[in-house]
Amino acid sequence: EAGVAQSPRYKIIEKRQSVAFWCNPISGHATLYWYQQILGQGPKLLIQFQNNGVVDDSQLPKDRFSAERLKGVDSTLKIQPAKLEDSAVYLCASSFGIVAFFGQGTRLTVV
Amino acid sequence: GENVEQHPSTLSVQEGDSAVIKCTYSDSASNYFPWYKQELGKRPQLIIDIRSNVGEKKDQRIAVTLNKTAKHFSLHITETQPEDSAVYFCAASHQSTGTASKLTFGTGTRLQVTL
Repeated sequence: EAGVAQSPRYKIIEKRQSVAFWCNPISGHATLYWYQQILGQGPKLLIQFQNNGVVDDSQLPKDRFSAERLKGVDSTLKIQPAKLEDSAVYLCASSFGIVAFFGQGTRLTVV
Repeated sequence: GENVEQHPSTLSVQEGDSAVIKCTYSDSASNYFPWYKQELGKRPQLIIDIRSNVGEKKDQRIAVTLNKTAKHFSLHITETQPEDSAVYFCAASHQSTGTASKLTFGTGTRLQVTL
């Protein structure tokens, strides 16, 4: 069974550099989420898409983070410029109904 | 917005014992409460969920209870096994018909099952 695919799995960048993450949701899932999981904490929602429209981006730091979901399928999350506190695992999830299925995440380290 | 608190942060039990993890939520409109298990370096995986019209749900060795009045819900694992060792997250959301809603997560409980 195909799950939520994310890439890359790991990324190390210097502060002030830019980085992009990619997510391919489960086929047919209209809702896509990006969560940030800082070490030792629960995932926190950054942005939610319904098809290619934004439903909730209230916790997205819009001065440095951006996300898009062209054609209502794949999505990219970008950070520019990165800060040390952006070090975290970035999880993508998708859902058709209530249940959200998560990808394995991208572990970002900002040095 | 919703706020979910989770206790304890760490829990160590002997194999065969039971484990209980408790969560409280703040938004009385929340009506969906899933539990996710996350093994080290892996994706969170749904293990059980409950909706607000049900007080208890059981699936083999795991069960979840919900007290809407007190805004509490708990995960119960019986006959724990070493493979139950992981971080467990509770979450809450307000689901409307036809619209999926974001999950607000607790801070996680690291469960260790010792031999």
